[in-house]
Parts: sequence; C-alpha cells; structure tokens
Amino acid sequence: EPEVTQTPSHQVTQMGQEVILRCVPISNHLYFYWYRQILGQKVEFLVSFYNNEISEKSEIFDDQFSVERPDGSNFTLKIRSTKLEDSAMYFCASGSVERGGRRNEQFFGPGTRLTVL
Amino acid sequence: QQPVQSPQAVILREGEDAVINCSSSKALYSVHWYRQKHGEAPVFLMILLKGGEQKGHEKISASFNEKKQQSSLYLTASQLSYSGTYFCGTEGAGGTSYGKLTFGQGTILTVHP
Repeated sequence: EPEVTQTPSHQVTQMGQEVILRCVPISNHLYFYWYRQILGQKVEFLVSFYNNEISEKSEIFDDQFSVERPDGSNFTLKIRSTKLEDSAMYFCASGSVERGGRRNEQFFGPGTRLTVL
Repeated sequence: QQPVQSPQAVILREGEDAVINCSSSKALYSVHWYRQKHGEAPVFLMILLKGGEQKGHEKISASFNEKKQQSSLYLTASQLSYSGTYFCGTEGAGGTSYGKLTFGQGTILTVHP
C-alpha cells in the first residue's frame, strides 16, 4: 500500500541554523500539507500546497518557513533560522481529489522529530 | 477555532464500547478521525463528508450531524490495539480551506485486558 515517507526521522540542530525536512507524498495525490505537533499537544496545521503553490498557511508559518516541491516528487519544509520553540514533530500529509473536486482523506507520514538546542 | 472533543479520556475493558464526540462552532465541509499511538504518526480512520458520504475503517463507525457541526466516533467491541489518542480534524465549509485540518485536543483511550 502506498505511503508517505519522510526524512530524516530525527534532526538535531543548533538555534539559528537552517533545516530542511523532506517528504515524498503518495504519488497520485495532489494536495500536500505540513503539520507539527509539540510533545504532548495536538496536531497543528502549518501549510497546504496545491497546484505548485501555497494555498493556505497558519499564523505559525511565518517568514522563517518555506515549502517547495522541487522535482515533482519531493515536498520540502525549510526553516531558515530555527528557534528553540520550533522543536516538535513535523508531519507531512498528502491527499487526493475525486472527480468533481471533492477532497479525500489525508495520509500522514511517520514524522521528523526536530530538536533545536 | 479548534473543535472540542469529549471525553478527554476513556478507560475500557476489552470488548466494551466507547463513543468519542467532536463538536465545532463553525460550519464544516468534512470531519476526519485519526488514531495516534505514542511516538507514532496519526493513522487515518474515517472521513465524513458534508452530504453524508463517509469512508473508513471496517470496524469503526462514525456519524456527522451537519446542522449541529458534530461528529461521533463509535468504537465497538474494543480490542487492546484500539488504545491510543483519538483526534478529530475538521475542515471548514466555504470552499477555500484546501483541506486544512484543525484538530481537537484529543481523547486518550486505554483498553485493558
């Protein structure tokens, strides 16, 4: 069964450094998302990406964050200058669309645990 | 605004049933249910769409009251593997959310032998 994959599984970085989190969505999906989950808390939406552009972003997704789909398969989240409060599990998700535009379920990847020291 | 889930926690014995509720203050396009085990990713269980369509897990059922913006997840004849935190994620109506899910705070379900 196709699944969303993410690399790395764990990233440790120093405050102020740039990190890139990578995701390979399910191949025929058209909607891509990044969510994050701070330890012990709920899952929070960061950004959605459709038709090669950001379709919606949350207040968390400030100028330090960017997303890209550089080659038609990978979907990346870049944090330019990490802060301590960026430490969280970051999940990539992808979803398909039915004929007529109805959106389907979203499947989550295994996550990247980001630790900012 | 995030949906509100109830109860916050449930403890069951194997074979017992449980209902988890999710309530939103705004009109919804869809409700998605996920189960998350500690240290793992959320696993899709069920999607309920405005208009009555639903898709999901064979042994789990759910309902969606569009007028009240409420959904309930029904877990029957619980198994040990059902233990985890259950999240509802809601997508607002209006056609502009592009699938953004707003998650509730979660319901911790523990099933004992």
